[in-house]
Amino acid sequence: SQQGEEDPQALSIQEGENATMNCSYKTSINNLQWYRQNSGRGLVHLILIRSNEREKHSGRLRVTLDTSKKSSSLLITASRAADTASYFCATEVNTDKLIFGTGTRLQVFP
Amino acid sequence: NAGVMQNPRHLVRRRGQEARLRCSPMKGHSHVYWYRQLPEEGLKFMVYLQKENIIDESGMPKERFSAEFPKEGPSILRIQQVVRGDSAAYFCASSLNGPPINEKLFFGSGTQLSVL
Repeated sequence: SQQGEEDPQALSIQEGENATMNCSYKTSINNLQWYRQNSGRGLVHLILIRSNEREKHSGRLRVTLDTSKKSSSLLITASRAADTASYFCATEVNTDKLIFGTGTRLQVFP
Repeated sequence: NAGVMQNPRHLVRRRGQEARLRCSPMKGHSHVYWYRQLPEEGLKFMVYLQKENIIDESGMPKERFSAEFPKEGPSILRIQQVVRGDSAAYFCASSLNGPPINEKLFFGSGTQLSVL
C-alpha cells in the first residue's frame, strides 16, 4: 500500500494565487521530501524536512510537518504558470528507500 | 557535471522480447534506485543497488525482472519476455551517501517502455 497520499489529486489555480498540497503518511519517518515532476520528465527534489522540524522555507515554497498527525503540507506562494507540474511527497521506509505518494497535479493558468 | 543519464529515452518491444534499460548515476554516486511509473500514477519502488550489490529488491516482480550495478559501467534493469503490462516509464535515481535518511535523490529523465 502507498506510504504517502497527496490531497487534492488535482488543483487548478490562477497565476498569483497560492497553492496548497497535503500529504499523509502511515509509519514513523526520519524525514519527508517533496519532489516536482514536469510532464514526461524525471523528478526534481524541492525540499527535505526532518522529523524534528516543523516548518521549512525555500524561496516561494513553505513546507510544514506534523508528526503527530502524520501529515505534511507544501505551500507555493504567488504561483506562476511555470509551476504547473505534479508534486509528490516521499518518505523513507526501512531506512533504505524512498516511497512516493500518489501526487497532486497542479495547473496554473496565466 | 552531468546528471543521471538514462537510455534509451524510448524503447519499443514486442511481446516476448527482452528490454534492457540503462542508467548511469551522477558522478561520484554509488547508490542507484529504480522506480516504475504508470500514467497518472506515482512512482513505485522496484530495487535499490549499490556497486555490485542488490540491497533491496522488495519491489521487483519475482519473475522476468532483474537488475544489476556492476563495478564498471551503468546499472541495468532487464525485463525478459515483456508483456503489455510492462509498458510504463522507468526512472532511475542516484544518491551520494546511500540510504535516503536526510539524502535527496537525483533522477534521470526516464525510459518510456512500450510493449506492442
